[in-house]
Amino acid sequence: QSALTQPASVSGSPGQSITISCTGTNSDVGGYNYVSWYQQHPGKAPKLMIYDVSNRPSGVSDRFSGSKSGSTASLTVSGLQAEDEADYYCSSYASSTALVFGGGTKLTVL
Amino acid sequence: QVQLQESGPGLVKPSETLSLTCAVSGYPISRGYYWGWIRQPPGKELEWIANIYHDGRTYYNASLKSRVIISVDTSKNQFSLRLTSVTAADTAVYYCARLRSSSWYVDYWGQGTLVTVSS
Repeated sequence: QSALTQPASVSGSPGQSITISCTGTNSDVGGYNYVSWYQQHPGKAPKLMIYDVSNRPSGVSDRFSGSKSGSTASLTVSGLQAEDEADYYCSSYASSTALVFGGGTKLTVL
Repeated sequence: QVQLQESGPGLVKPSETLSLTCAVSGYPISRGYYWGWIRQPPGKELEWIANIYHDGRTYYNASLKSRVIISVDTSKNQFSLRLTSVTAADTAVYYCARLRSSSWYVDYWGQGTLVTVSS
């Protein structure tokens, strides 16, 4: 069982918006603003999409945004495009284990 | 442009030791950041293994700590992973990575290397 809980799958049509949740505890997501999100296409290394809850690295589309409320973080992808279809993982610093990941969410663009 | 490249055997026998090295180019390890290993069993989620700082400070996943050693060689600009007493459960793609020490996110990943544990 993963330390952080994500839905197994989400889907949306091109142009729509979707949100992926990432639920932890006060010892990880809820206790630190150190949540990051990664996009992983099949057979590829993950790519950083969001860091420190809501910051986008240079070069990442502004269609990707992050937020947090309590112990649940969220990644929103707006204006869905076919290229957004991938697995998405959240991650957080954790007081007990240093770094924990979610179980991953498969985003399908219909 | 920071680049990381893993190297090591793709097949390890059960009970033996898995050894991987990550060669870093485009950034001196001695300048800072955490340098770490993350793995992903086939079809499963990511799992953090360990980090090391350029000064040798180490951080380990508690669930693997008894079997893991991470080390750094700043003269060669590379760092390494040793995982002892491997089993089939250690079969995974192993990624080396650069992590921000302030907030533990990975900004650069290696391409990953598949290590299979099998006799």
